Amino acid sequence: TQLLEQSPQFLSIQEGENLTVYCNSSSVFSSLQWYRQEPGEGPVLLVTVVTGGEVKKLKRLTFQFGDARKDSSLHITAAQPGDTGLYLCAGPPLGGDMRFGAGTRLTVKP
Amino acid sequence: EPEVTQTPSHQVTQMGQEVILRCVPISNHLYFYWYRQILGQKVEFLVSFYNNEISEKSEIFDDQFSVERPDGSNFTLKIRSTKLEDSAMYFCASREGQGSGNTIYFGEGSWLTVV
Repeated sequence: TQLLEQSPQFLSIQEGENLTVYCNSSSVFSSLQWYRQEPGEGPVLLVTVVTGGEVKKLKRLTFQFGDARKDSSLHITAAQPGDTGLYLCAGPPLGGDMRFGAGTRLTVKP
Repeated sequence: EPEVTQTPSHQVTQMGQEVILRCVPISNHLYFYWYRQILGQKVEFLVSFYNNEISEKSEIFDDQFSVERPDGSNFTLKIRSTKLEDSAMYFCASREGQGSGNTIYFGEGSWLTVV
């Protein structure tokens, strides 16, 4: 079983739509990070959330860390084709090293 | 902005050969990692390294694999006797500390193709 479960696995939407992807675990994480990965490249960090209940905004992207620090969500407003990519959540469970979810593959069609 | 650099970017090797993947972590970072990603699949943790020793390794990181920090800047992953299933993108990563706010930075990856 995955330590971090991401859903949905695949998401295909039209430009201008809103979307939310989720990252869930039964374990508590000291922090969670969201990455975007393009084909053939390494993951690029988008944001780190540290405090339970924390909300961070990055332009059209809103990240939330659950109160219990076991889950996180990424909401994209008015998606654009440039948002297309693999979105990964990752984090160190308490006492452990960084682990990744399987990712959500987002396609935004013009 | 400082970055993690990896070489080679792509290597093709014959099954059974040894491969060394090289990484130069960010200079003031103390924690180093190797991850791999088989094409189209998830990013998998291999090993973490701190204070010149392995601090954690996954079940993937068996006796075929080893890591080394031969000098003050390089961090290498050696794969002995490569197998077809070792074909993957291997990512090196580093971070300054283990506190919850410390970000992990990834290199661009080394594509390994075993034929």
